[in-house]
Amino acid sequence: QAQLVQSGAEVEKPGASVKVSCQASGYTFMNHHLHWIRQAPGQGLEWMGMINPSGGSTTYAQQFQGRVAMTTDTSRDIVSMELSSLISEDTAVYYCARETKWPGGNNWFDPWGQGTLVTVSS
Amino acid sequence: DIQMTQSPSSLSASVGDSVTITCRSSHSISAYLNWYQQKPGQAPKLLIYAALSLQSGAPSRFRGSQSGTDFTLTISYLQPEDSGTYYCQQSYSIPRTFGQGTRLEIK
Repeated sequence: QAQLVQSGAEVEKPGASVKVSCQASGYTFMNHHLHWIRQAPGQGLEWMGMINPSGGSTTYAQQFQGRVAMTTDTSRDIVSMELSSLISEDTAVYYCARETKWPGGNNWFDPWGQGTLVTVSS
Repeated sequence: DIQMTQSPSSLSASVGDSVTITCRSSHSISAYLNWYQQKPGQAPKLLIYAALSLQSGAPSRFRGSQSGTDFTLTISYLQPEDSGTYYCQQSYSIPRTFGQGTRLEIK
């Protein structure tokens, strides 16, 4: 059974960087894109970007361009997301999610990691 | 970017009732629409994929439907465990986008 397990909560100061990891298990890691989605306290879901573990190609949401980097370690089935130049508005729960795709192209997020709370505070 | 407009933002219903949540896309997205349920303190969980298909393990009282760019999630015979927030999400194009969510309270 596919499972994603994320690293623990982080507290960072404004201007710093944070790196969140996502450990995959129970499926062939290279066969599925992984996405990052965040949720600010009491707010909705915001897509940040995606990475293809096979080759490492990435696509980022425009609002995070230049500030986010997603990487993959195929030897350990881990993807990571690093967000730099943190501001208080980056305080959120960060989720990784596996993309599952039909041959026809339709796709969805399943499963999700448990989430990692990142708090940005001076 | 494709905008997803979800309504209502919240609703309250009783056990045994039926409710409908609507999601409208700003562009045609074929059937590239998914629904998720999120409970407080938990990650979202897939309910319906490809507009109509029930995720394995999800109760059959959840049903998705589509009419053009309008998508609906219908929950029949509401149960107490159906409380939470529901999100639609388009998977047609990048960036992936979500509706703003519908908070469902069971009275």
